[in-house]
Amino acid sequence: RKEVEQDPGPFNVPEGATVAFNCTYSNSASQSFFWYRQDCRKEPKLLMSVYSSGNEDGRFTAQLNRASQYISLLIRDSKLSDSATYLCVVGNSNSGYALNFGKGTSLLVTP
Amino acid sequence: DAGVIQSPRHEVTEMGQEVTLRCKPISGHNSLFWYRQTMMRGLELLIYFNNNVPIDDSGMPEDRFSAKMPNASFSTLKIQPSEPRDSAVYFCASSLEAGGLETQYFGPGTRLLVL
Repeated sequence: RKEVEQDPGPFNVPEGATVAFNCTYSNSASQSFFWYRQDCRKEPKLLMSVYSSGNEDGRFTAQLNRASQYISLLIRDSKLSDSATYLCVVGNSNSGYALNFGKGTSLLVTP
Repeated sequence: DAGVIQSPRHEVTEMGQEVTLRCKPISGHNSLFWYRQTMMRGLELLIYFNNNVPIDDSGMPEDRFSAKMPNASFSTLKIQPSEPRDSAVYFCASSLEAGGLETQYFGPGTRLLVL
């Protein structure tokens, strides 16, 4: 079982829609959580960190549920420019230092 | 500020040839990571350096792969001999703090095609 699992999608949504992605992780000792964004043929870039209390950055909201071991990302008022692959990333000190990347969820926002 | 720099950006080679990928991390970053990305397997960590010292190379596929970091501003990933199954995008990333739990900044990647 992979440490981080995501629905690969693709999620096809119209502009202005709200879309949510979930991700589950297997290691209950995980301590750090992130969402990265990867555009086609580009490198992954940090979108936002995910904190236990949940956090918001503009149209993006991230939530962490430690009890159920899942992380969510909500995108409100989708823009065409939001089209990308969203990678769920989990880290824990038990693995020493490694961040475990999910395979990503593909989002396509259409006009 | 310059980000992580990788070269070459694209590499096409024939099976059996040696391939060397290069990376310059962000100045002042203490940790450097090499990843490989394929459609089938996603992003896989190959090796991690902290303060130029290899900490964990358990992700390196086999003896054909080797990585070095002779100083804080340069690292190489070498494949010898290369095989078609090595075709992938290879990313280098760096982070400020040791431990690998901090934000990692990725380079643009090297697209490798082994024929």
